[in-house]
Amino acid sequence: DTGVSQDPRHKITKRGQNVTFRCDPISEHNRLYWYRQTLGQGPEFLTYFQNEAQLEKSRLLSDRFSAERPKGSFSTLEIQRTEQGDSAMYLCASSSAVGYPYGYTFGSGTRLTVV
Amino acid sequence: GEDVEQSLFLSVREGDSSVINCTYTDSSSTYLYWYKQEPGAGLQLLTYIFSNMDMKQDQRLTVLLNKKDKHLSLRIADTQTGDSAIYFCAETDYGGSQGNLIFGKGTKLSVKP
Repeated sequence: DTGVSQDPRHKITKRGQNVTFRCDPISEHNRLYWYRQTLGQGPEFLTYFQNEAQLEKSRLLSDRFSAERPKGSFSTLEIQRTEQGDSAMYLCASSSAVGYPYGYTFGSGTRLTVV
Repeated sequence: GEDVEQSLFLSVREGDSSVINCTYTDSSSTYLYWYKQEPGAGLQLLTYIFSNMDMKQDQRLTVLLNKKDKHLSLRIADTQTGDSAIYFCAETDYGGSQGNLIFGKGTKLSVKP
C-alpha cells in the first residue's frame, strides 16, 4: 500500500471553471476526510465519509462544493464555478474505525490555483 | 468556538533542543496531536497524546500536556536540519464529531547548522 494518493498534485484553472480532485485512501481505511489549507494557515475540516456515507460537512463547504465516495473507496471533491478564494491546498486523509483517532494518514494534497 | 494557538516561528541551532508550544480552548478535547509538514507535502503524524496523560516520550520527541492550563508542548531533542518544517498542533473530541481535527496555524521550525 502506497498510502493516501491524491490527483492531480497541482491544478491551475480560470475563475468560473469547474474542477474535480480525486483521493484514493489506504485500502483498508473506511473513513475519509477532506481538508483545505490556505497559505499560512492550518488545515480546516471540510467533510468526512464513513464508507460511502457523508456523515459531516463543515459550513466552509458552500453549495459550490460537492464530495462523493460512491463505492466507499476513492472519493472526489468537485468545485463548481471556481473563485479566486478557492485557491488552496486540498488535503485528503483516511483512517480506520479501529485505528481512530490516532490513525489519520494524509495525502500530499492537490494545490489549486484559480486565476 | 474551538481554537488552537501556536507561536508562528522558532529558530534553533543544530544539536539543541526545540520546544514548540500550543494552547487550546476546548476542554472536552480528548486527543491531541502533533503533525509535521515539509514544503509541498502533506501532513505526517509525529505523535499523539490522550487527555488523561501528562507526558509521552517517543525517541527524540517528548510531549507534555497540562490539561488544567490547556497547554501542549512538543520537545525535539538533538534537533537536526532535517527537522526543519512546519509543526501543527491539533485536537479532537472523540466523544463528539468523529471527523473534525482542529489545527493551529503551525510553527515554522528553522534549524541552523
